[in-house]
Amino acid sequence: QKEVEQDPGPLSVPEGAIVSLNCTYSNSAFQYFMWYRQYSRKGPELLMYTYSSGNKEDGRFTAQVDKSSKYISLFIRDSQPSDSATYLCAMSSSNTGKLIFGQGTTLQVKP
Amino acid sequence: GAVVSQHPSWVICKSGTSVKIECRSLDFQATTMFWYRQFPKQSLMLMATSNEGSKATYEQGVEKDKFLINHASLTLSTLTVTSAHPEDSSFYICSARDSLRADTQYFGPGTRLTVL
Repeated sequence: QKEVEQDPGPLSVPEGAIVSLNCTYSNSAFQYFMWYRQYSRKGPELLMYTYSSGNKEDGRFTAQVDKSSKYISLFIRDSQPSDSATYLCAMSSSNTGKLIFGQGTTLQVKP
Repeated sequence: GAVVSQHPSWVICKSGTSVKIECRSLDFQATTMFWYRQFPKQSLMLMATSNEGSKATYEQGVEKDKFLINHASLTLSTLTVTSAHPEDSSFYICSARDSLRADTQYFGPGTRLTVL
C-alpha cells in the first residue's frame, strides 16, 4: 500500500464547475500538507499549504485536512481552462523535510 | 515569491558522457535542497536530499556514484549524471527548502535530459 493515494484521473469538467481533488494517506506522522499544480513539462508550483487539520482558503482554492480520517481535499471554485494541469498532493512529517507525493490528478477544464 | 531556477532547462547528450544540472534559490537561502526524478505521467520520485556543506543523503535504490550531488553554498546545488545512458533520460526537478520556513519547498522548472 502506498503512503499516499491519489486518483490519477483524468478528470474533465466544464468551465465554471466546482472541482474536488482528494488524497488519502496512511502515515499518522504527517503534519504538513501541500497541493502543487504542475503544467506539462514544468516544475510543480505550490498552491496551498496547510499545517495539521482544518481549512484554508485562497481565492478560488480551498484546502481541507481531516487528520482523523487521513484525508485531504482541494476544491477549485469557478474552474477555468487555465486550471487544466496535474494536481499533486504532498505531505511531510517535517523531521527531514522529505515530501511524499501522491500520483497526481490530471484535470481538464473545457471551455 | 520564492524562486528556484534550474539550468539547463533541457539537454541532449551522447551515451557515456556526464551532464551537470544546477539548481539555484534566487531570493532565499536554502540549507536543504532535494532532487527528484519524474517519468512521463508519473509522480515525483525523490532521489536525494542535499544539505549545504555536507554529503547528500540518497534514497534507497539511487546510485550515489552515478548521481553526484554537491551543495557548496546556501543558494546552489548541482546534480551530475555520470556516464549517462539512455535509461537515465528523464525529467529532473530540484526543490529548495526555505531556511526560514523549513516546512515549505519551492520547485525549480525542471531539466529534461535525453541521452542518445
